[in-house]
Amino acid sequence: QKEVEQNSGPLSVPEGAIASLNCTYSDRGSQSFFWYRQYSGKSPELIMSIYSNGDKEDGRFTAQLNKASQYVSLLIRDSQPSDSATYLCASERGALNTGFQKLVFGTGTRLLVSP
Amino acid sequence: EPEVTQTPSHQVTQMGQEVILRCVPISNHLYFYWYRQILGQKVEFLVSFYNNEISEKSEIFDDQFSVERPDGSNFTLKIRSTKLEDSAMYFCASSVGHVIQDHMNTEAFFGQGTRLTVV
Repeated sequence: QKEVEQNSGPLSVPEGAIASLNCTYSDRGSQSFFWYRQYSGKSPELIMSIYSNGDKEDGRFTAQLNKASQYVSLLIRDSQPSDSATYLCASERGALNTGFQKLVFGTGTRLLVSP
Repeated sequence: EPEVTQTPSHQVTQMGQEVILRCVPISNHLYFYWYRQILGQKVEFLVSFYNNEISEKSEIFDDQFSVERPDGSNFTLKIRSTKLEDSAMYFCASSVGHVIQDHMNTEAFFGQGTRLTVV
């Protein structure tokens, strides 16, 4: 069973701090990785995608990928109370010669940012 | 900004009844999916659809489930005879699926979901 593992949290950080969210995956064939934000009762909202080892920055968000360690992380700088949500890590093993394959989601990490 | 739209937002049905969940994917997207999320659990893949046929389905997607793209814009999920355990949020998603440099852009965008309650 190909799994994506996340600590369920909650992860509590004060406003303005850096929140660090982590994820590991078991399928070495995974090619693409995604972070989604999900507010309670709402749908997943795509925040970041990352395909290559290293860091990818977008505004206050930085995704990090280490395929050798099968590890993905998301850093949120200057955390705001509005960032309080569940953050879902997902992997996908599609490639150029296979096309898209399904997203495999972790259970999510609940982030609480206190004012 | 383009978005995936789903109707209805909430559906209550009696056990054994058929339901059809509807979705309008983003217009230039080529891949369409259904996922579901039982309350308090992870988002689970049901089925993917590309080029007018199912490209992959999970073990959840048994003979009671079917998908259809009846026209150029709609994408539907039908559950023929609902069971209590089908109660969940059902999400439709779409992705453009084109090649960027050496990989495919497989970013999937989700609709707001349909909450299905089977009683």
